[in-house]
Amino acid sequence: ETGVTQSPTHLIKTRGQQVTLRCSSQSGHNTVSWYQQALGQGPQFIFQYYREEENGRGNFPPRFSGLQFPNYSSELNVNALELDDSALYLCASSPTPPRMNTEAFFGQGTRLTVV
Amino acid sequence: EDKVVQSPLSLVVHEGDTVTLNCSYEVTNFRSLLWYKQEKKAPTFLFMLTSSGIEKKSGRLSSILDKKELFSILNITATQTGDSAVYLCAVGRDDKIIFGKGTRLHILP
Repeated sequence: ETGVTQSPTHLIKTRGQQVTLRCSSQSGHNTVSWYQQALGQGPQFIFQYYREEENGRGNFPPRFSGLQFPNYSSELNVNALELDDSALYLCASSPTPPRMNTEAFFGQGTRLTVV
Repeated sequence: EDKVVQSPLSLVVHEGDTVTLNCSYEVTNFRSLLWYKQEKKAPTFLFMLTSSGIEKKSGRLSSILDKKELFSILNITATQTGDSAVYLCAVGRDDKIIFGKGTRLHILP
């Protein structure tokens, strides 16, 4: 157990809908990042937040957006869902600022299915 | 474009064998190389490497980084069925972690 919790664990949505995924970081961790993992692929970086500011973004369209709250928990929002958005969404938290070398601790993920 | 390439993509061995998993990378602003084990959902951290030539060990697992040739290997000795998993290699930058596609390892009893 890493102490990073995600909710919900599973979710089914219809194409065109909007979804919000939540992540509670491990205590004391102020950096959080989100990843999309399609079946048989490695996790793809979506974005990273440090102290409530986005400080890195991968090649995802603007309909993928996020927030980090003062308690360092985080949300991933996806608008206008497409079938290809079906994937495992992973949240990871780190205890130090992004410039310091440290590992990231992952939550169990949210399995999103878009039908 | 930044990339992390793992090989082989899939590997089947018998219990007790030794395996070597490979990871090569071309990433700007390299900070660290990371290895994770993913069994069902959450990748679990194995190693973080930042310096060339210094082997890190944890039980039957070990890893080393070559920053000149831009690759890393993960060794698992005396494999057990519990080692069956996807092993992910990743490179850490200031602003993101870039993952490879993983090596799916299956250990036959």
